[in-house]
This record gives sequence, structure tokens and C-alpha cells, in this order.
Amino acid sequence: AQSVTQPDIHITVSEGASLELRCNYSYGATPYLFWYVQSPGQGLQLLLKYFSGDTLVQGIKGFEAEFKRSQSSFNLRKPSVHWSDAAEYFCAVGDDKIIFGKGTRLHILP
Amino acid sequence: DTAVSQTPKYLVTQMGNDKSIKCEQNLGHDTMYWYKQDSKKFLKIMFSYNNKELIINETVPNRFSPKSPDKAHLNLHINSLELGDSAVYFCASSPGTPGYEQYFGPGTRLTVT
Repeated sequence: AQSVTQPDIHITVSEGASLELRCNYSYGATPYLFWYVQSPGQGLQLLLKYFSGDTLVQGIKGFEAEFKRSQSSFNLRKPSVHWSDAAEYFCAVGDDKIIFGKGTRLHILP
Repeated sequence: DTAVSQTPKYLVTQMGNDKSIKCEQNLGHDTMYWYKQDSKKFLKIMFSYNNKELIINETVPNRFSPKSPDKAHLNLHINSLELGDSAVYFCASSPGTPGYEQYFGPGTRLTVT
């Protein structure tokens, strides 16, 4: 069955610290992989996506993600978080139909 | 200009009523979607249209009926509203499938009392 797992419901990091949000998926073939961010009261915005090529993908707002086929993972990283990064982050996979993970809420400590 | 707009932003209604949510995109995209986000933030696709044609219809109660009068609009009509329909409904659009970025509207928070 196709699925997306974000094992961390909440993550708290200090401003300026590095960040890694985990995402694992189960899919029949290599799917399109996405990370979206949702700020409070708003819709989702695409941070980055991957299908093929270089397994390290750069996105907007200083985010990057690394695809690891052997681990079926697509983890999101940022070297130094800012208070404005506090939001809900969704990993998503699929092709014609996109399946979203349950999200990771990121809290930033000043 | 707003890329994907939804009206209304908030909708409070009683059980048993019928309501509609409207969505419009000015991006020239061919594909539009409706998603439901529950109270735990879980986001699930309900429907997808490509050039006014239904291409994805998940296991959604038939009280929910999407309508696409043209490729820039996708409306959602809900009959006989139930408490469990309370959620945030998001409209989205993309240039096509597969693999394209989806552009989301701001959401409609539906509360059924």
C-alpha cells in the first residue's frame, strides 16, 4: 500500500540551530516526492520536489532535501532556522494522486 | 492578484443544511483538486478535475458533489451536512499531472453545529 510516514508530530529547535524533518514512504516505484509548508491559517506552499537526478534538492527559503532510495526516505533539512520557519511541514509522494503525510509541527525557541 | 481563491473563508451551519464552497484559479492550470484537512491536520484528497473532467474521486460520501463549469472553477456542494464534515477544505490547482506543483487556496473552515 502507498503511504507516507512523518514520525515526528512535533519538533522544537532553537533559532539558529539546524533542522532535519524525517519522511519515509512506501510506493510501488520511485514517485514524485514533495515537501510543503503550511503557515497558520494558510494553504500549503511547495518548498521543493524531487523525481530524478541529483538526490540532493534545493528549495525555497534555504531548505534542502535528500532522497535516499535504499532507505525510502526524503528528509528535509535547513542549516539554520529562523523564527519565521515555525509552521506545519508536510511530506508528500505520488504521481497523478498525491498522498500527504500527517505533518510535523515545527516550534522555534527564541 | 490571488492565484487560487476560495469563498467563503469561514462557513458555520447547522446539521442537515446544504452548502457550497467556490474555488477559482487564475493561473491557467488544467487540473484542480479538493482536499479535506481534519482537526489533526491530516490532508486527504477528495476529488480532482482535469479540463472539467473528473479524474480522481476518492471514497467520499455522495453527499459531496464537485462541479467544474470551466477549467478555472471547481465548486464543492455538500448536501445534508453532518458534524463529521467539520474541517478545513482546500482547493488547489496544477498545470497537469503527474509531478507538478500544486498551488493551494487559503482554505474554507467549515463548522457544522
